[in-house]
Amino acid sequence: DTAVSQTPKYLVTQMGNDKSIKCEQNLGHDTMYWYKQDSKKFLKIMFSYNNKELIINETVPNRFSPKSPDKAHLNLHINSLELGDSAVYFCASSRDRGSTTGANVLTFGAGSRLTVL
Amino acid sequence: SQQGEEDPQALSIQEGENATMNCSYKTSINNLQWYRQNSGRGLVHLILIRSNEREKHSGRLRVTLDTSKKSSSLLITASRAADTASYFCATRHGSSNTGKLIFGQGTTLQVKP
Repeated sequence: DTAVSQTPKYLVTQMGNDKSIKCEQNLGHDTMYWYKQDSKKFLKIMFSYNNKELIINETVPNRFSPKSPDKAHLNLHINSLELGDSAVYFCASSRDRGSTTGANVLTFGAGSRLTVL
Repeated sequence: SQQGEEDPQALSIQEGENATMNCSYKTSINNLQWYRQNSGRGLVHLILIRSNEREKHSGRLRVTLDTSKKSSSLLITASRAADTASYFCATRHGSSNTGKLIFGQGTTLQVKP
């Protein structure tokens, strides 16, 4: 069983369209994340939810909206897609946000490669 | 601002040689982690070192941490072709209670058979 699974793995779409990426984890973790990896492999955190509560919201255009229906799922919806949104989007989870142990080890999904034409 | 920066950006060695990658960061940290990313895959956690630790081992991996210099190194001994991947350091800010990990840009390691 895949621990953190993302769908779709590949997404090719036109500028201006709206698309969603879904993520599910079966690890029983409380915290989930979205990271964006650009063409130079730089990984930047976008959002994080802890038990369905938004706890990290980096400077991301409001065209990006995360939704966490329950602690096992974190989806990412992107409106009005732009060329610069092309990247690989990674979902990750951790047992918690490390507030008690001070250590949060992330388990990543395989990534969703978004190409905007 | 970006927390971790790896050096070198790319490294090419022969199988059996050791590979050393360095990571520098800017602010005080709670812990530092190293991750590996194979081409086209997600990142996989390798090892974590806390701010009060100086060295840690895991199999062929050795990590050091120098908080006075705000730097860490990852040593892979007796490298194998399967070690070919990108390696990232990630830091957690000392006062963070959100679990936010900030990643560097990675070192791409190629191990030639």
